Amino acid sequence: NAGVTQTPKFQVLKTGQSMTLQCAQDMNHNSMYWYRQDPGMGLRLIYYSASEGTTDKGEVPNGYNVSRLNKREFSLRLESAAPSQTSVYFCASRYQTGPSYEQYFGPGTRLTVT
Amino acid sequence: AQTVTQSQPEMSVQEAETVTLSCTYDTSESDYYLFWYKQPPSRQMILVIRQEAYKQQNATENRFSVNFQKAAKSFSLKISDSQLGDAAMYFCAYRSAGREYGNKLVFGAGTILRVKS
Repeated sequence: NAGVTQTPKFQVLKTGQSMTLQCAQDMNHNSMYWYRQDPGMGLRLIYYSASEGTTDKGEVPNGYNVSRLNKREFSLRLESAAPSQTSVYFCASRYQTGPSYEQYFGPGTRLTVT
Repeated sequence: AQTVTQSQPEMSVQEAETVTLSCTYDTSESDYYLFWYKQPPSRQMILVIRQEAYKQQNATENRFSVNFQKAAKSFSLKISDSQLGDAAMYFCAYRSAGREYGNKLVFGAGTILRVKS
C-alpha cells in the first residue's frame, strides 16, 4: 500500500513551458486535492475532485488545469509556467466528502520556474 | 471565509522539555474540525492530532495534546518530553464540517520547531 504518490519529486521549468504533475492513490479514496505551499503562507487549495468525474476550483486555480483520469489518478497541468508558480505542490486524498475523514498527503513536488 | 493564524514563526525547546505552539482561527461556523500537521525536512505532511469542535474534551496522542478553547477560537499544541525527532514545521489547519470546497483544509503559515540537545 503506497498511499499517495506524486511524480516528479523535483522539476525545473523555463517560463512558458508546460508540464503535468501526476498524483495517484491506492486507498480507494473518493476525493482528491491539489495544494501549493509557499513560504509564510501554509498550503492553499488549487483544485479538488470530490469524486471521479468531477473537478472544482479551489482558492488559487488561475494558471492551472486538472484531470481526474479515474478514481486513482488526479493530475495537475501548468499550460504556460510562470515564475509565480514556483512552489511545492502537494496532492492529497480522502475517503469521502463528509465530516470526519482525514486527508492523506503525497510527498510533494518542488517546482522551480525560471 | 475561515482563516488560521499561527503567530510564532519559530520556536525552540530543549530536549525533554515541554513546548506549546499557538494557533487561533476565525470562523462563523459552530461545527468544524481542527488539526495539527507535522512537516519534517522530508516534506511529508504527517497528521499529529485532530479535534472535533463539538467535543469539549481536549484530544491527546501520546506526548502531544491540545488546548482547545472554542469560545476564544484558540487551538494550541503541547509537546511534552520533546525529542530531536520532533523538530519540524508544524501547521495548524481548519476544516469545515460542511462541504464547501470539498472539505478543504485551511492552513496557518506554520511554526518551525527547533529542538536543542
